[in-house]
Amino acid sequence: GAGVSQTPSNKVTEKGKYVELRCDPISGHTALYWYRQSLGQGPEFLIYFQGTGAADDSGLPNDRFFAVRPEGSVSTLKIQRTERGDSAVYLCASSFGAGSYNEQFFGPGTRLTVL
Amino acid sequence: AQSVTQLGSHVSVSEGALVLLRCNYSSSVPPYLFWYVQYPNQGLQLLLKYTSAATLVKGINGFEAEFKKSETSFHLTKPSAHMSDAAEYFCAVSETLTSYDKVIFGPGTSLSVIP
Repeated sequence: GAGVSQTPSNKVTEKGKYVELRCDPISGHTALYWYRQSLGQGPEFLIYFQGTGAADDSGLPNDRFFAVRPEGSVSTLKIQRTERGDSAVYLCASSFGAGSYNEQFFGPGTRLTVL
Repeated sequence: AQSVTQLGSHVSVSEGALVLLRCNYSSSVPPYLFWYVQYPNQGLQLLLKYTSAATLVKGINGFEAEFKKSETSFHLTKPSAHMSDAAEYFCAVSETLTSYDKVIFGPGTSLSVIP
């Protein structure tokens, strides 16, 4: 079956620009997570959605980062006024439920490069 | 807050040799523990998880991990390395919050397999 998909796979932008990163979770998965993975590091939690609502956005680094999931399926991570330090791979994951016994399935990621 | 340490950012083994990747966690109560693998340009894939049942957990591709509470460790092993095992490996621990379990990742260990 289809896994988690993310588009685009690569995004190159200039400092100060706005970008949107899209995540299509596995159908029927109510929980959706965004992570950021910098070079040589493990994924760092950004935000968690249960259904349409952001249940935990404590990992968003600042107010330039925002994410939505208006219909409880596709999610978009939005970054305003991008900075070079935002360059990283942004990973999306989804799971059937929110407990640890529910495996998180990861997408291939979007590699963001801010010049 | 939970944290995970992985000793050795890079490990090299010969094909056919034992693979040992180390992971230690900080937790006062037995958590859920995970090992994920990330192949180049792919998303993370769950290798195995510990959920307080058997302390020796068997995963995919011949990997297993042993939960040792006294050592707060969850090391990953495989008796005989294969070339296809070359990848990045992440240990992770769950942190139970009010509404869901947040997964905290370690920094990762890059495994190289030498022919």
